[in-house]
Amino acid sequence: GIQVEQSPPDLILQEGANSTLRCNFSDSVNNLQWFHQNPWGQLINLFYIPSGTKQNGRLSATTVATERYSLLYISSSQTTDSGVYFCAVEGKIANFGNEKLTFGTGTRLTIIP
Amino acid sequence: EPEVTQTPSHQVTQMGQEVILRCVPISNHLYFYWYRQILGQKVEFLVSFYNNEISEKSEIFDDQFSVERPDGSNFTLKIRSTKLEDSAMYFCASRAGRSTEAFFGQGTRLTVV
Repeated sequence: GIQVEQSPPDLILQEGANSTLRCNFSDSVNNLQWFHQNPWGQLINLFYIPSGTKQNGRLSATTVATERYSLLYISSSQTTDSGVYFCAVEGKIANFGNEKLTFGTGTRLTIIP
Repeated sequence: EPEVTQTPSHQVTQMGQEVILRCVPISNHLYFYWYRQILGQKVEFLVSFYNNEISEKSEIFDDQFSVERPDGSNFTLKIRSTKLEDSAMYFCASRAGRSTEAFFGQGTRLTVV
């Protein structure tokens, strides 16, 4: 199946700093999503971005599908940004039913006041 | 905004007992999923469900697991005889169509003692 790698595994930053999280995947994808898992364990949708660039406030994401990677940018970090960020992909396989998301191992972001 | 809702938020059960985890997907969605996340690990796919049948299941989804959509709104995951290693956060997800954005519920934290 498709492999998803995220880097760095851990990131500790001062409040106000900027960060870039990376997601590499091993095959073509139909779907790529970024999630934030908050301290209560909830998965919060950040971006649905199989290709291109999107922005939402202080967050933006870019997926370069031909080179099989996606980047999540967080600017002017706040303590509420702390948590684990997951990238999840759906491989581009033709057979019906292969629509599951495969998650990466995540990046744990800690923002220090 | 429509959301996926899961109940209960936390369940503690004794080993060997049956548990049913409940989910109400977003109303116009057609594809339904269960995922699980063992503490500190990544989110893993369990099963996908479409058109009233399982479309794909992982190796984790053995004979102890079953899913059902008993009416037009609920989607349930049953574990017949729980084991200690079934302790995890279980997420329900739904999506409107193939390769569209998936939305996750807040999760049910299952603790088997």
